[in-house]
Amino acid sequence: AQSVAQPEDQVNVAEGNPLTVKCTYSVSGNPYLFWYVQYPNRGLQFLLKYITGDNLVKGSYGFEAEFNKSQTSFHLKKPSALVSDSALYFCAVSPPPGSGAGSYQLTFGKGTKLSVIP
Amino acid sequence: NAGVTQTPKFQVLKTGQSMTLQCAQDMNHNSMYWYRQDPGMGLRLIYYSASEGTTDKGEVPNGYNVSRLNKREFSLRLESAAPSQTSVYFCASTRDGIAAPLSYEQYFGPGTRLTVT
Repeated sequence: AQSVAQPEDQVNVAEGNPLTVKCTYSVSGNPYLFWYVQYPNRGLQFLLKYITGDNLVKGSYGFEAEFNKSQTSFHLKKPSALVSDSALYFCAVSPPPGSGAGSYQLTFGKGTKLSVIP
Repeated sequence: NAGVTQTPKFQVLKTGQSMTLQCAQDMNHNSMYWYRQDPGMGLRLIYYSASEGTTDKGEVPNGYNVSRLNKREFSLRLESAAPSQTSVYFCASTRDGIAAPLSYEQYFGPGTRLTVT
């Protein structure tokens, strides 16, 4: 069974500083990995994904994530945080195609609340 | 495009009452999903529909039923609501991909906040 861990419930960072939101995963084979963001009282919005290829993935709003197969991690990063980045961030994983019924199921982490302090 | 729409936005039920949450998407997506979000639990999949006419259970299907009415609409029904079903419910859809259905991002609706007393 696949699983995702976001070890930090909350991350605080000063505006202008770099930010990292951590994610580790467990899945058989080569995973598909995603980051989503949720602003208060809103649905989730897609940020970026890793399917295959370059381990550094660039996404929306200046975010990027690095896939590290040996450490089974997919940490979200941004060089300079903005107050408007304050939100709840979710990492998600799905198994590769051909895995059966689970191929249609994304497994989400519990979320990390990012607070950017002015 | 409206994307994914959900109705109602808020609902309060008494234990034992029934209700249906509605979801519609206008992106011509084949796959649709229902999730629930609880504090500290992330999102958990209730049911999904990989294509019109098919539905499958997710991680937490007990107490729920679904109907894929047509390609656009996917409803979630609570037959006899329980306080444990108090949650925020999200519908999502994704572009079809028979070989790699989850290589594409999911689009989420704004959610339905349900309270069962």
